[in-house]
Amino acid sequence: GAVVSQHPSWVICKSGTSVKIECRSLDFQATTMFWYRQFPKQSLMLMATSNEGSKATYEQGVEKDKFLINHASLTLSTLTVTSAHPEDSSFYICSARQTGKTYEQYFGPGTRLTVT
Amino acid sequence: QKEVEQDPGPLSVPEGAIVSLNCTYSNSAFQYFMWYRQYSRKGPELLMYTYSSGNKEDGRFTAQVDKSSKYISLFIRDSQPSDSATYLCAMSATGGSYIPTFGRGTSLIVHP
Repeated sequence: GAVVSQHPSWVICKSGTSVKIECRSLDFQATTMFWYRQFPKQSLMLMATSNEGSKATYEQGVEKDKFLINHASLTLSTLTVTSAHPEDSSFYICSARQTGKTYEQYFGPGTRLTVT
Repeated sequence: QKEVEQDPGPLSVPEGAIVSLNCTYSNSAFQYFMWYRQYSRKGPELLMYTYSSGNKEDGRFTAQVDKSSKYISLFIRDSQPSDSATYLCAMSATGGSYIPTFGRGTSLIVHP
């Protein structure tokens, strides 16, 4: 149980284009989902917290107009990187918190984004 | 000083060794303590979690929390090459959003 999927697992795009990453909780409902960014040999950097049906809460320094988050259902959240640039290349990981559970987070497998 | 400190390693041990991974923290409000395992180019996997102080055992893994010292540990017995991964500690306070603070992870290499 508690499986989270991400799609795509790897994407290459050209500078200036937009990329959408999907995060799905497959066997549980997730009121809250989180989006992280991870650089090589670095820890997870929380980008934003999204709650189903409401606007995402972005961490300081994260551009909300650049990283659009939508959490339209209890099993799906999306992250859209708009007008991507090479510095946006990174490993993006989502996690989901099961409704009613306050401390357990289950992570997706991650999406590696390369912007050329 | 970061809220959660974790030595990035790498920690290299022979197969069968007992591994000790540790984190220190500064926020006395932390009550939930978690350990995640992350293989290269994969998302983290929740290994164990504990609430407040004490020990918790699950197979070859034992999590230990010493709140008086603000120190948590993960012990791996009879380590295997398949345990080679990065281990991240995470902790959160009660109340609020329970968003955990992660350590930077310790890279563990278990060689045959």
